Amino acid sequence: DAGVIQSPRHEVTEMGQEVTLRCKPISGHDYLFWYRQTMMRGLELLIYFNNNVPIDDSGMPEDRFSAKMPNASFSTLKIQPSEPRDSAVYFCASSFRDTTRNSPLHFGNGTRLTVT
Amino acid sequence: SQKIEQNSEALNIQEGKTATLTCNYTNYSPAYLQWYRQDPGRGPVFLLLIRENEKEKRKERLKVTFDTTLKQSLFHITASQPADSATYLCALGRVDTGRRALTFGSGTRLQVQP
Repeated sequence: DAGVIQSPRHEVTEMGQEVTLRCKPISGHDYLFWYRQTMMRGLELLIYFNNNVPIDDSGMPEDRFSAKMPNASFSTLKIQPSEPRDSAVYFCASSFRDTTRNSPLHFGNGTRLTVT
Repeated sequence: SQKIEQNSEALNIQEGKTATLTCNYTNYSPAYLQWYRQDPGRGPVFLLLIRENEKEKRKERLKVTFDTTLKQSLFHITASQPADSATYLCALGRVDTGRRALTFGSGTRLQVQP
């Protein structure tokens, strides 16, 4: 299995531009999570999906952030417009069943976003 | 508010010694706890899971304890090796809410000196 695949690995953009991050979860996993990691705040949950349906988006910072999962093999996280404080590493993770059932998270290698 | 604390200072130990990392939590009633390893530029990788009714879990050189009275988990690496150098994250989950997502600590960086 190729694991969770994220693209791009690095993204540098100017303030005000739209940014789209992409994720392909592991086949057969029915939970997908978007996390953001910064030095100050660590790893924070933004949103998660179960069977392509958003379950909890309470971690999405504001309306500038949106996430979609049009099918079981693809998800996007969009920031529009982007701001310098959005600079962080964004991780996508997937799991088979929910993490309470001895089911660990499988993370991608992240997208490092820099907004200038 | 709910808080998960890991020692923010790096832990430096000599090869062959046992590394012990701490995860403390407050205002939280987790049902299970997971430990992950993160290398620079990579995503976290799952190591171990322990449930609230389990005191201890082992996997090869790794051992995790979970004390719900002290609200603390300890993560041990015995016979440490330089290849064990990484950041280790604890993550807590709960089943008393509908939320099926882990909350992570900020991690402790371990440096094993040869």
